[in-house]
Amino acid sequence: GENVEQHPSTLSVQEGDSAVIKCTYSDSASNYFPWYKQELGKGPQLIIDIRSNVGEKKDQRIAVTLNKTAKHFSLHITETQPEDSAVYFCAAKWAGSYQLTFGKGTKLSVIP
Amino acid sequence: DVKVTQSSRYLVKRTGEKVFLECVQDMDHENMFWYRQDPGLGLRLIYFSYDVKMKEKGDIPEGYSVSREKKERFSLILESASTNQTSMYLCASSLPVNTEAFFGQGTRLTVV
Repeated sequence: GENVEQHPSTLSVQEGDSAVIKCTYSDSASNYFPWYKQELGKGPQLIIDIRSNVGEKKDQRIAVTLNKTAKHFSLHITETQPEDSAVYFCAAKWAGSYQLTFGKGTKLSVIP
Repeated sequence: DVKVTQSSRYLVKRTGEKVFLECVQDMDHENMFWYRQDPGLGLRLIYFSYDVKMKEKGDIPEGYSVSREKKERFSLILESASTNQTSMYLCASSLPVNTEAFFGQGTRLTVV
């Protein structure tokens, strides 16, 4: 089955700096790659996703890049703010499967 | 506003009890999922359902069963709760294709 590795497990940045979280996946048939943000006491919420026919996608301060050859994808957050502090999960899914396979999460702390 | 609602935020149960965790979604989604979230392990899939009365095992189904009698409701059952089932349980729903999975707020279960 699919395996998703996520790094780093914790990340601290100064407010205003950029943060990058990286994930690798094992199944070359995977074609859907969402990123979720989980705030304390809440369930995960989708913040951005990318499909395998696209190399990059942006939404304001958030961007995701996908390298299908290397089987890795990354989340980029620019101009970080304290409210960006949360746990972030990457995930992967292939077309023939119902389920998402999640990475183990990255705890991002933005220091004011 | 779309919603996945889990019946309890916090539960404390005794070892050996039969435990029911309930999840309801109001989006008419075909797919529903139960995940378990533990520190350092990320989200692990217990069971999922792609239609009423249909169910499939996920990665860690041992000790759990599920029921889906109506499209909007998906129940997770711990037949005989054990202390190693103390965890955060997350329910999610989605459409059949590669689209966003919506999560509930989670149920923190403690088995004593």
